[in-house]
Amino acid sequence: DIQMTQSPSSLSASVGDRVTITCRASQSISSYLNWYQQKPGKAPKLLIYAASTLQSGVPSRFSGSGSGTDFTLTISSLQPEDFATYYCQQSYSTLFTFGPGTKVDIK
Amino acid sequence: QVQLQESGPGLVKPSETLSLTCTVSGGSIGTYYWSWIRQPPGKGLEWIGYIYYSGSTNYNPSLKSRVTISVDTSKNQFSLKLSSVTAADTAVYYCARVRGPLPAAKYYFDYWGQGTLVTVSS
Repeated sequence: DIQMTQSPSSLSASVGDRVTITCRASQSISSYLNWYQQKPGKAPKLLIYAASTLQSGVPSRFSGSGSGTDFTLTISSLQPEDFATYYCQQSYSTLFTFGPGTKVDIK
Repeated sequence: QVQLQESGPGLVKPSETLSLTCTVSGGSIGTYYWSWIRQPPGKGLEWIGYIYYSGSTNYNPSLKSRVTISVDTSKNQFSLKLSSVTAADTAVYYCARVRGPLPAAKYYFDYWGQGTLVTVSS
């Protein structure tokens, strides 16, 4: 299995802050990395696929980068609706695996 | 707009079989892969498996011996059966559409159902 890790596991930030979340794969996964946002009691929502491609309808303050084993999700200016848990997911292997999540809450 | 809706019992007894159905509306189940993903309360996401509209499947090896995913294209539905359940199978179960395989992206989950909580308890 390809193991996914995320850091930090949680962070506190204020509206307007720039936030960066890191995801690391246990082996190279090229750019086959996706990011999801999940709010309490809701299904995950696709934000970014193929490491850096913004899903239609997702605000441009979200961006993704990286390849190989190291990836980042950046929120350029945190908005109130962005407080949520963020998951990365690899599709290099068809044994799909998710990271453990990063919870972003209000400072 | 594609919509997915999970349905099935919310309570299953230990050692019995969990059965859920996902109904797809707003689009055809054809030409796509469809997946089940679960999330134990307060925990992360675990991929269970996927099925192609033609019926071919791929399962998470950690659950493979207990999982069956099937598709009914006439009803635009796909289903999950998980046998010999224990308390560890208590989770919110999501169905999702899989986009791919795409040359630059391979696969991703672009539409999700709202999820249904299944509790395993006697």
